Parts: sequence; structure tokens; C-alpha cells
Amino acid sequence: EAAVTQSPRNKVTVTGGNVTLSCRQTNSHNYMYWYRQDTGHGLRLIHYSYGAGNLQIGDVPDGYKATRTTQEDFFLLLELASPSQTSLYFCASIRRANTGQLYFGEGSKLTVL
Amino acid sequence: GDSVTQTEGQVTVSESKSLIINCTYSTTSIAYPNLFWYVRYPGEGLQLLLKVITAGQKGSSRGFEATYNKETTSFHLQKASVQESDSAVYYCALGDLGTGNTRKLIFGLGTTLQVQP
Repeated sequence: EAAVTQSPRNKVTVTGGNVTLSCRQTNSHNYMYWYRQDTGHGLRLIHYSYGAGNLQIGDVPDGYKATRTTQEDFFLLLELASPSQTSLYFCASIRRANTGQLYFGEGSKLTVL
Repeated sequence: GDSVTQTEGQVTVSESKSLIINCTYSTTSIAYPNLFWYVRYPGEGLQLLLKVITAGQKGSSRGFEATYNKETTSFHLQKASVQESDSAVYYCALGDLGTGNTRKLIFGLGTTLQVQP
């Protein structure tokens, strides 16, 4: 069974704070993604990557950086967190040749006060 | 651009009754879109429910089914008899996973299904 693990599962920070969300997949998948989920907006793609050292811009990248350090690890960085970034964040991965089965982590709930 | 529309934010159905969750899509950049339904049960991450990659075909899983209709650009999710355990959030998604390195899925807003006993 494919596994995607996110940490932390819950995080509270203040405006201007620095946050790193971590994602690790042990599926040997090439592609990894960061989405945010908000009521009224569904899932929106922030950044994604197709391999170590690669980064692609998603649909809502402002205020976020990301880094893919290894095949397994993909990090989402909020260097100056704002209340508008309060959300539920999902990481996902997919094998290169696969036709659509994203494997998702359980989500990281971030609250910015 | 590309988009997925789910018109119902929440649907409430009594157990054993039939269900339909509407999904329509629009794409200007994907020549051969793949269509998906994902489900998120409480406290869990999203998981693939079913997928169809060819227009005109039907996908099915766990009693749910959806037909890829290219003429009406629709991919509605249906189930003949729902159970309380089907209560979850359902997401329709559109993807281009066939070429290049821009593989990503575009999700609808999600429909929360509440099944009443």
C-alpha cells in the first residue's frame, strides 16, 4: 500500500511566523504535490515537483516556497505566515507512468493567528 | 482555462436511497482529459474512488459508477443505494497525465454527502 506521511498534523502559529510542512512518500513516485483545501474553493494546487531538485509552480503559489530535497521528501515553506494561509494542506504523490491515482497524506491543519 | 464544476456543496440522502452528484468539466488545454472521482472520509486523506480515461466509458467502484460523457462534458457520480458509511466528501477531478512534465489534477469544490439512517 502506497504511503504518504505529513508532519506536523496540526500547527498553530502567529502572523509573520515561519512554518515548514513536511511530506515523505515511500512509493518511489516521481511526482509530488502540495494542495490546500478551503471551504468554497476545493483543492488548489500550490506547488509540485517531478523529481529531486525540481519545482513547478502551481495555481496559488503566492506566499509559499517549496523544496524537493530527495525523491522521498517535499517541503512547503511559509516564511511570513498570514491568516489567509490558515487552511488544510494535503501532500500527494504519483508514479510517472500512472494514469491518475494520486496518493494523499492525511493532511496538515495550519492555523495562523 | 480548465475547470471542474460541482453544483452541490452538500447533499443529504436517506439510507438505501439513490444518489447522484453532478460534475461537469471544461478544458481548453487538455486534448484527452482523464476524469476522476476522489473521496475523503472523515479524518483521512483523499483516496481515488474511480477513474475513466476514455470518453464514453464507465468507471465503477464500491457500488458507485460514473460515465465519461464528452458531448455534455459531464461525469456524474451515481449510486443506486447509499449506506451510512458512504458519508464523506466527494471530489470530481480533471487531469492531464499523458504528456510532458506538467501532470496535475484540477479538482472541483467537493460535495459533502450526508447519509441519514
